[in-house]
Amino acid sequence: EDQVTQSPEALRLQEGESSSLNCSYTVSGLRGLFWYRQDPGKGPEFLFTLYSAGEEKEKERLKATLTKKESFLHITAPKPEDSATYLCAVQARNQGGKLIFGQGTELSVKP
Amino acid sequence: GEEVAQTPKHLVRGEGQKAKLYCAPIKGHSYVFWYQQVLKNEFKFLISFQNENVFDETGMPKERFSAKCLPNSPCSLEIQATKLEDSAVYFCASSQGSEAFFGQGTRLTVV
Repeated sequence: EDQVTQSPEALRLQEGESSSLNCSYTVSGLRGLFWYRQDPGKGPEFLFTLYSAGEEKEKERLKATLTKKESFLHITAPKPEDSATYLCAVQARNQGGKLIFGQGTELSVKP
Repeated sequence: GEEVAQTPKHLVRGEGQKAKLYCAPIKGHSYVFWYQQVLKNEFKFLISFQNENVFDETGMPKERFSAKCLPNSPCSLEIQATKLEDSAVYFCASSQGSEAFFGQGTRLTVV
């Protein structure tokens, strides 16, 4: 069964304190792995797509990496405005594009 | 439009009443997805469309849920005879093949 597990469930950081969020997945043929950011009361906001092991993508203070079993979202020198829930999702081949989501990591960055 | 538009933002229904939710996908996107977010971060896939055709309905509860995407009209998700357990945020997303972009969601409360 296709599955996505994110850790930790919650993470509290001080402003400037770099860290990483983990997304472990099992999927029958990976089509793509996606990272989203969700603010309270809002819909998920697209951040990155990764397609193959070894791929990396960066956007401002965020960097996403992918291996055959997991993905990491590295946050460098976070700011309070980075506080949000970060969601990881996978698309399997031959599954019509639907996303299988992890439970999310709730990130809080204190000034 | 440039973003996925969902209406209404909030919907309150008495148990047993009908609920109808609407979604206008991003112009030019061929795929529409509906997800249900029940607990804080648990996303459940319901149904997807390719243009006006049902693409994957494996997540749809058969009995009370139905959905349509008709030409020149917003897509809709209808729940007949709502139950307390249908209380959730319903998200619509649209895609042109890879990344899915989400609307702000409709919060359905069944009382």
